[in-house]
Amino acid sequence: DADVTQTPRNRITKTGKRIMLECSQTKGHDRMYWYRQDPGLGLRLIYYSFDVKDINKGEISDGYSVSRQAQAKFSLSLESAIPNQTALYFCATSVGTIYNEQFFGPGTRLTVL
Amino acid sequence: GENVEQHPSTLSVQEGDSAVIKCTYSDSASNYFPWYKQELGKGPQLIIDIRSNVGEKKDQRIAVTLNKTAKHFSLHITETQPEDSAVYFCAASATHNAGGTSYGKLTFGQGTILTVHP
Repeated sequence: DADVTQTPRNRITKTGKRIMLECSQTKGHDRMYWYRQDPGLGLRLIYYSFDVKDINKGEISDGYSVSRQAQAKFSLSLESAIPNQTALYFCATSVGTIYNEQFFGPGTRLTVL
Repeated sequence: GENVEQHPSTLSVQEGDSAVIKCTYSDSASNYFPWYKQELGKGPQLIIDIRSNVGEKKDQRIAVTLNKTAKHFSLHITETQPEDSAVYFCAASATHNAGGTSYGKLTFGQGTILTVHP
């Protein structure tokens, strides 16, 4: 089984809808991250969490919220989806030691019509 | 905050040639520089990293160099093979909280699409 899983893998929704993307990990890592990937813009950090009680905004958090339900689960919500949130979304985890190797999930492709 | 610029955005080489991808960063507190490879339909995966106390690191056909004074680092792939075709991302991070904004986070470059032609 994959160490970092994301559901759903693909989602098409309409403007104004609320949507939740879920991430689960079996690696036992404390740190979890949400990124979005857009062509030519690389990976941009939306939110990150160093442990269950710690939530931090990344560089592009507007329009998004997160919930860290447990060490293994980190969900990303779009309260009212808009077309420019169409992107590929990745969840990642890391151990939290000095050097920050991150392990990525397979991604969720979200389309907002 | 930290800003990482990556060039080129696309790179096309013949099998057996070398490929070089370059990145610059802005935050002098950054001291950890990983490179990730993203194959089609998958999440990025770490392929090599370099820490600020080292100027060069090599792993088989892949090498990274770091120039802290100039704030730039590069990925070198020798004897390229078709399976090297992918998107490559550089990133920078500060591993100590020295008051900068990159502590504990990776800031990624824009990515390079590498195509190796057989």
